Amino acid sequence: DAGVIQSPRHEVTEMGQEVTLRCKPISGHDYLFWYRQTMMRGLELLIYFNNNVPIDDSGMPEDRFSAKMPNASFSTLKIQPSEPRDSAVYFCASSSTGLGNQPQHFGDGTRLSIL
Amino acid sequence: GEDVEQSLFLSVREGDSSVINCTYTDSSSTYLYWYKQEPGAGLQLLTYIFSNMDMKQDQRLTVLLNKKDKHLSLRIADTQTGDSAIYFCAESWGNTGGFKTIFGAGTRLFVKA
Repeated sequence: DAGVIQSPRHEVTEMGQEVTLRCKPISGHDYLFWYRQTMMRGLELLIYFNNNVPIDDSGMPEDRFSAKMPNASFSTLKIQPSEPRDSAVYFCASSSTGLGNQPQHFGDGTRLSIL
Repeated sequence: GEDVEQSLFLSVREGDSSVINCTYTDSSSTYLYWYKQEPGAGLQLLTYIFSNMDMKQDQRLTVLLNKKDKHLSLRIADTQTGDSAIYFCAESWGNTGGFKTIFGAGTRLFVKA
């Protein structure tokens, strides 16, 4: 089974540039989550979607961050303009609804460095 | 407030048992999870326990749940160097809006050869 697929795996860019991170969730999963991980703050939930609709974006740090889910198999997280403090590993995760066990399945992350 | 707490570091010798502890906040949590994160990778689900269970064993892993104290632990028997990683505890519960999952900050396990 294909897991959650994120691209790119690594991104290095200069501050002020636009950055777009991509995620393909596991087929059939109706929840999609974006997380950011840093040494200082640990794992932070940025936003999550249910059936392509954003449900909670209270974790999005600033207006420079935006996320979209145009269809069930694709989501993007965009940072514009990027700043050095945005450097982190960004994870996408997906899960399914149901009465049973619904663990989140994580991608391998995008390591973002803003110079 | 909602907070899952874990100690940040644990160091053990190879062959010893490791015990990673976690306290969670919501007594209505339905599922409690342990995830493992190896360097350069995402979080991988290790095991989970349903809230009506006290214990779950899966090969070298034993999960203990104390609902009264809201305490969860993960025991790794015969710890190997390959077990060196960050271990995250997470609690999950359902509500009218779906379900919510809260992760702890992670415990970094160092295994000394």
